[in-house]
Amino acid sequence: AQTVTQSQPEMSVQEAETVTLSCTYDTSESDYYLFWYKQPPSRQMILVIRQEAYKQQNATENRFSVNFQKAAKSFSLKISDSQLGDAAMYFCAYRSTGLSGGGADGLTFGKGTHLIIQP
Amino acid sequence: KAGVTQTPRYLIKTRGQQVTLSCSPISGHRSVSWYQQTPGQGLQFLFEYFSETQRNKGNFPGRFSGRQFSNSRSEMNVSTLELGDSALYLCASSLVGARGRNYGYTFGSGTRLTVV
Repeated sequence: AQTVTQSQPEMSVQEAETVTLSCTYDTSESDYYLFWYKQPPSRQMILVIRQEAYKQQNATENRFSVNFQKAAKSFSLKISDSQLGDAAMYFCAYRSTGLSGGGADGLTFGKGTHLIIQP
Repeated sequence: KAGVTQTPRYLIKTRGQQVTLSCSPISGHRSVSWYQQTPGQGLQFLFEYFSETQRNKGNFPGRFSGRQFSNSRSEMNVSTLELGDSALYLCASSLVGARGRNYGYTFGSGTRLTVV
């Protein structure tokens, strides 16, 4: 079974600075998806960024970018120019494509990192 | 474009009762999945439906069941409620493309279930 590990339960960053959230995962598959989701106190899970494992290029969405290291099974999220609205729980998630015949058991989530933005 | 709609937002039930939660996906999304979120266990996958068929099921007892209708709306049912079933239940819909490629999940705001 796949596992996702977020080793930082909580991170704090000054407004306008850059912060990196760590995520590692374990899988025997070669084709899969990785996601970062944000969950503010309103509890709505919001997709931040998505990466397909077969793509070498790191995904980027405005101030959010990832460092995808497939061999190391690492998928960190970098938030540049942090804003107060970025404060939330951030979850890293994995999903198999199911194309290797093993099925795709939905999203497997890490335990989350609570990101605090200091004004 | 309307998002994923979950009803009700809050629910209080008594042990032993049963409950049905509803999820309406984004128009055009045929895949719907359900997750349970608790402080202790985090986010756990319950099941996933595509075109009215259950594709996968997580490691939950048979008291947890679901279904999907022809319009892609989905319901999940929990019978014989236990105190430990108190959780936030999240539904997500996704657009599935050619060869089953998944373009990301959009979540609803969840149903907060409290069992007393």
